[in-house]
Amino acid sequence: AQKITQTQPGMFVQEKEAVTLDCTYDTSDPSYGLFWYKQPSSGEMIFLIYQGSYDQQNATEGRYSLNFQKARKSANLVISASQLGDSAMYFCAMRERGAQKLVFGQGTRLTINP
Amino acid sequence: SQTIHQWPATLVQPVGSPLSLECTVEGTSNPNLYWYRQAAGRGLQLLFYSIGIDQISSEVPQNLSASRPQDRQFILSSKKLLLSDSGFYLCAWSIRTDQPQHFGDGTRLSIL
Repeated sequence: AQKITQTQPGMFVQEKEAVTLDCTYDTSDPSYGLFWYKQPSSGEMIFLIYQGSYDQQNATEGRYSLNFQKARKSANLVISASQLGDSAMYFCAMRERGAQKLVFGQGTRLTINP
Repeated sequence: SQTIHQWPATLVQPVGSPLSLECTVEGTSNPNLYWYRQAAGRGLQLLFYSIGIDQISSEVPQNLSASRPQDRQFILSSKKLLLSDSGFYLCAWSIRTDQPQHFGDGTRLSIL
């Protein structure tokens, strides 16, 4: 069963605008972690931000924030003031308690236009 | 600070040939180590993970194997490559299971 769903295969945004990348997840485990990774065209996977299921506040890291809505099982990534260098594939991932495996979504290709 | 090295960056191999991809981590001890594969345009799939020397767990039955001969060294191998083994292979490490995984630069493997 698909556990991570990213419904936007591609997004195009003007430079300096904010962008929201959608991610919904499915789990029956009350304890889990949610992650976002960025994959530029060069291929490396860059860790951006983490949200634990018991965290009371939304995670933030610089221009990245995670809009965590637990009841809706969504964990959207918000990038403020987008830059040309933000153009990349973005993957949402989840790890359930005690599991080693990160389960990834299919990704969203973000293109920032000048 | 911790760094992860993965090589080679690209590899072209004929069907039926052997494979050895190597990954090493510096700056930490007893990390959890992972091998993932990414098919074109897709998310990552976990192949193997290791929580210690000679402790390997396989997530997906396949033509590949993994070994961890040293604390910070993780090797992905095959005796005979198949066309379906083509893909982008990524090694990753984490300090603990509940911590983020950090990835190497990946190996792009093409089977001819």
